[in-house]
Amino acid sequence: QVQLQESGPGLVKPSQTLSLTCTVSGGSISSGNYYWNWIRQPAGKGLEWIGRIFTSGSTNYNPSLKSRVTISVDTSKNQFSLKLSSVTAADTAVYYCARETTFHYYYYMDVWGTGTTVTVSS
Amino acid sequence: DIQMTQSPSSLSASEGDRVTITCRASQTISNYLNWYQHKPGKAPKLLIYAASTLQSGVPSRFSGSGSGTDFTLTISSLRPEDFATYYCQQSYSTRYTFGQGTKLEIK
Repeated sequence: QVQLQESGPGLVKPSQTLSLTCTVSGGSISSGNYYWNWIRQPAGKGLEWIGRIFTSGSTNYNPSLKSRVTISVDTSKNQFSLKLSSVTAADTAVYYCARETTFHYYYYMDVWGTGTTVTVSS
Repeated sequence: DIQMTQSPSSLSASEGDRVTITCRASQTISNYLNWYQHKPGKAPKLLIYAASTLQSGVPSRFSGSGSGTDFTLTISSLRPEDFATYYCQQSYSTRYTFGQGTKLEIK
């Protein structure tokens, strides 16, 4: 069965770029009609959707983050990535990657990674 | 953006209780509504999609209902492993939004 694992630096300095990778195992990132998502959760707060990418490369982003976010996919490595620029302390959060399945025009995130904590601090 | 509001924000209940969590959308979303369960340190888990369709492998004590703007998640008889935080999420708009969460605690 498909599993997702986030990886990347746990500490990022303010104003720098946060970079995370999600590795897909147990299946090909290119197979099927799936979107690949990033979601985050600041400590003590709820889930915030960051954005998603289809394997064709088309993307959708949260408007509140759109100017700072880039999501890309590397099918040769079975990975997709998140870059968030000009980070501040407000970007400190647990970051999750998730697979989104489509079925009869319904969309839902059915496979999630366990999350990785990113702290923004000097 | 479509705002999702859950109530209550927290809930204390006992094993065997029936509990209901409500999610309200700021505009109609038909039945494009998903429910997730989240435990600390774990990956969120999809419970229900399309407002009322149980994800494969999810126990039948979980059920969902609603359409338009008002939705509910019901757990018919609480088990110890059900104590967690629950989130609704709309997929009507590609600007996905989640509810703020409902923390279900042991009484």
